[in-house]
Amino acid sequence: GAGVSQSPRYKVAKRGQDVALRCDPISGHVSLFWYQQALGQGPEFLTYFQNEAQLDKSGLPSDRFFAERPEGSVSTLKIQRTQQEDSAVYLCASSLIRGRGNYGYTFGSGTRLTVV
Amino acid sequence: GENVEQHPSTLSVQEGDSAVIKCTYSDSASNYFPWYKQELGKGPQLIIDIRSNVGEKKDQRIAVTLNKTAKHFSLHITETQPEDSAVYFCAARASGSARQLTFGSGTQLTVLP
Repeated sequence: GAGVSQSPRYKVAKRGQDVALRCDPISGHVSLFWYQQALGQGPEFLTYFQNEAQLDKSGLPSDRFFAERPEGSVSTLKIQRTQQEDSAVYLCASSLIRGRGNYGYTFGSGTRLTVV
Repeated sequence: GENVEQHPSTLSVQEGDSAVIKCTYSDSASNYFPWYKQELGKGPQLIIDIRSNVGEKKDQRIAVTLNKTAKHFSLHITETQPEDSAVYFCAARASGSARQLTFGSGTQLTVLP
């Protein structure tokens, strides 16, 4: 598609519920990132995929957070047993890598998760 | 790891005036510095970026400057318009295998008509 698509746009979960957030990156983009953005803050890195390989998951806040990208395109971020502190906007971004160059990300509009 | 500080947190300017947002970074290995604009309910949108081998870059009304020695970089918007009102984020990325960006805390820019 023309941009990065995320679904759902909004999710309300009861505390303790499991949620799954979907990201559909730009076609052909090798790199895919998940970020968490708390209200009034900048995005914070969660995890990074190059194709289907998860190369960095150092930003995942706990073992309740899990991400996958099994075929190197669509990615899912799963949060188990949600807690109130998980409430945030979850942003997905994709990027085209060429050699060792730096290229900007394209972000999706995010999923706003509210845990009640 | 990298730490990015951004100032000011809020900025109000009259339409037609210039706006300047400043950021500092801590990791001397960082070599890529993008700026993003985020409107309400949307994801951040890349507006300009600069690499460490360049001191200044301009794109119409937007310019970015980089001082690697002092480890700071700035965004300059000239002839501001009401549609420039948004939250602006600076970011930095170090070279190496990790390709994530470290973001500043954002600047809410309001352009008053």
